[in-house]
Amino acid sequence: DAKTTQPPSMDCAEGRAANLPCNHSTISGNEYVYWYRQIHSQGPQYIIHGLKNNETNEMASLIITEDRKSSTLILPHATLRDTAVYYCIVRGYGGSQGNLIFGKGTKLSVKP
Amino acid sequence: DTAVSQTPKYLVTQMGNDKSIKCEQNLGHDTMYWYKQDSKKFLKIMFSYNNKELIINETVPNRFSPKSPDKAHLNLHINSLELGDSAVYFCASSQDPGTSGIKTQYFGPGTRLLVL
Repeated sequence: DAKTTQPPSMDCAEGRAANLPCNHSTISGNEYVYWYRQIHSQGPQYIIHGLKNNETNEMASLIITEDRKSSTLILPHATLRDTAVYYCIVRGYGGSQGNLIFGKGTKLSVKP
Repeated sequence: DTAVSQTPKYLVTQMGNDKSIKCEQNLGHDTMYWYKQDSKKFLKIMFSYNNKELIINETVPNRFSPKSPDKAHLNLHINSLELGDSAVYFCASSQDPGTSGIKTQYFGPGTRLLVL
């Protein structure tokens, strides 16, 4: 079972920041937080991951709370092409612990 | 220069048939995966495989078998297809994490299987 909880859907205006929350209150010390997204009819796409520090790359920023029980994915300037289902995943490493367990995700709709 | 490719993109077949889906990655990764996404859009791991071990999700019927001719390929064979096998199947690959634990996966475009 997925170890994360996300809102089922969110809307965001084009050009504005999209903030997608994720709760992972049972996360273990060696587990990373990963974010993937799936644009309609395509394969999932890696966005970003982090352990305890905030992370930023060309796609997004990841803010992880100090207690690591929740995180927020930030798309700083959402475009229509960011409309997708966003998955927050907690995973360890080694054997089956390294496998991705997808939950239901958050369906983000970016509107003009 | 597609990183992870799958063939065919669409597959329509009759119940009881045996079919294969091919997956190739040109990323030099040593671990490959198969996922199934059903009509409710749940994405579930079926197998993960590298040259050291095959890890099978216990819910996968033994009619499904992964075959790896080499490190760049992991094909999915399905025997005696059933209606419930209709889904989108995604292949993925990642680099062995070593001690870092980081194992970003890259997914293929998916194969849409319809069993009639």
